[in-house]
Amino acid sequence: KAGVTQTPRYLIKTRGQQVTLSCSPISGHRSVSWYQQTPGQGLQFLFEYFSETQRNKGNFPGRFSGRQFSNSRSEMNVSTLELGDSALYLCASSLEGGEETQYFGPGTRLLVL
Amino acid sequence: AQRVTQPEKLLSVFKGAPVELKCNYSYSGSPELFWYVQYSRQRLQLLLRHISRESIKGFTADLNKGETSFHLKKPFAQEEDSAMYYCALRTMNTGNQFYFGTGTSLTVIP
Repeated sequence: KAGVTQTPRYLIKTRGQQVTLSCSPISGHRSVSWYQQTPGQGLQFLFEYFSETQRNKGNFPGRFSGRQFSNSRSEMNVSTLELGDSALYLCASSLEGGEETQYFGPGTRLLVL
Repeated sequence: AQRVTQPEKLLSVFKGAPVELKCNYSYSGSPELFWYVQYSRQRLQLLLRHISRESIKGFTADLNKGETSFHLKKPFAQEEDSAMYYCALRTMNTGNQFYFGTGTSLTVIP
């Protein structure tokens, strides 16, 4: 089985712009979660999608949003980028979300200038 | 508020020595605890979870609700254990909502 894939792998944007990141889960997985990883804050949960619906949400401002498509692929959008949004964005997929294993993607490294 | 604390950012041990990576959590509900590992140039991956009570690669972790701890232990460290280790708490009964510690970088000295 192919693993979780994320595109693009690297991205450079400027303040005020918006960005869309994509995540393709492992085939058959319906739960997709997004995380932000920074040296200072570590791994922080953004949100989880299941069956095209946001099921859980972390403590991030409304500039961070996402969606999930019928094929379980998910996108994350950040509007009005700030310097502090520079981070590695990870997505993880699992079958249903819960006790089973989450599988992580390689991440998208976003740099905001 | 939910919180996961890993007090050691860096930990070095000699090969063959015992290793313990500390994790403490704060959560009012019934916790589900996990350890994730990230080897150099690899993806973050699950190492073990407390509900399985399993031993993976010689590592074990016991949930101590009284001390709110979930320390990761291995009796004899190997060089290939050098990696970044993250303790994580899952709080939701439905779906995934994880809180991660800031991680401990383990170096096993040959």
